[in-house]
Amino acid sequence: AAGVIQSPRHLIKEKRETATLKCYPIPRHDTVYWYQQGPGQDPQFLISFYEKMQSDKGSIPDRFSAQQFSDYHSELNMSSLELGDSALYFCASSPLSSYNEQFFGPGTRLTVL
Amino acid sequence: GDSVTQMEGPVTLSEEAFLTINCTYTATGYPSLFWYVQYPGEGLQLLLKATKADDKGSNKGFEATYRKETTSFHLEKGSVQVSDSAVYFCALNSGGSNYKLTFGKGTLLTVNP
Repeated sequence: AAGVIQSPRHLIKEKRETATLKCYPIPRHDTVYWYQQGPGQDPQFLISFYEKMQSDKGSIPDRFSAQQFSDYHSELNMSSLELGDSALYFCASSPLSSYNEQFFGPGTRLTVL
Repeated sequence: GDSVTQMEGPVTLSEEAFLTINCTYTATGYPSLFWYVQYPGEGLQLLLKATKADDKGSNKGFEATYRKETTSFHLEKGSVQVSDSAVYFCALNSGGSNYKLTFGKGTLLTVNP
C-alpha cells in the first residue's frame, strides 16, 4: 500500500540558511500535519492543512512557513536556520473518512551546523 | 490544555515477560487515545487506538483500554519479544475541529533474549 513520502530523507544545512521539506500524502488523503521531534523528545505539532487551507497551528516559529498545494502535497519552508532546528520532521496524512487516524511518513532528518 | 504523561523509561525486560507502560492524560472534551511505536531510525506507526470510554484497542498482542474514570490508557502485552524493542508513545487528540496529536515523552523498551 502507498505510504506518506517525505523528501529529502536527510538534509544538512549551515546556520542562517534555508531549507524546504516536502511531503506527499497517501492518495485521497486531504489533510496533512507537520511535527517536529527533537533528539530524545516527543513529536511536537507544528501546523496542519485541510483542503489546501491551514487548519491549525502549533508551536511553529515565525521563521517557518508551510503550504499545501492543489495536488495535496505540502512543503515546509524554514529560513534563518538555527542549531536548535536540528530535528526529525514528520509529515502525517489522514483521509476524509477517518480524521482520527494519522499515517506518518519516515521523516526528514535536518541537521544544522 | 491537553497533556499526556507516560511512564518514564527505559524499560528492560526479558523475552516472554509481561509488559505494562502506564499512560494518563488531561484533555478537554472527549479525546481519542492512541499508542504509536517508533523503531530505531524509523517513523511513527500507529499501534492501536480507542475513541471512546471503555473501548479496548488491540494489535499484535498489545492491548490498551480507555478508562475515563482514571483518565488512563495503559499499554499491555502478555509476552514480549525481542522484536518489540522500540520507543512507545501514548498520544491523544481532542477531536472536534482539531485532530492534532499531543504526545507523551515516550518510553524506550528493550527486550533481551
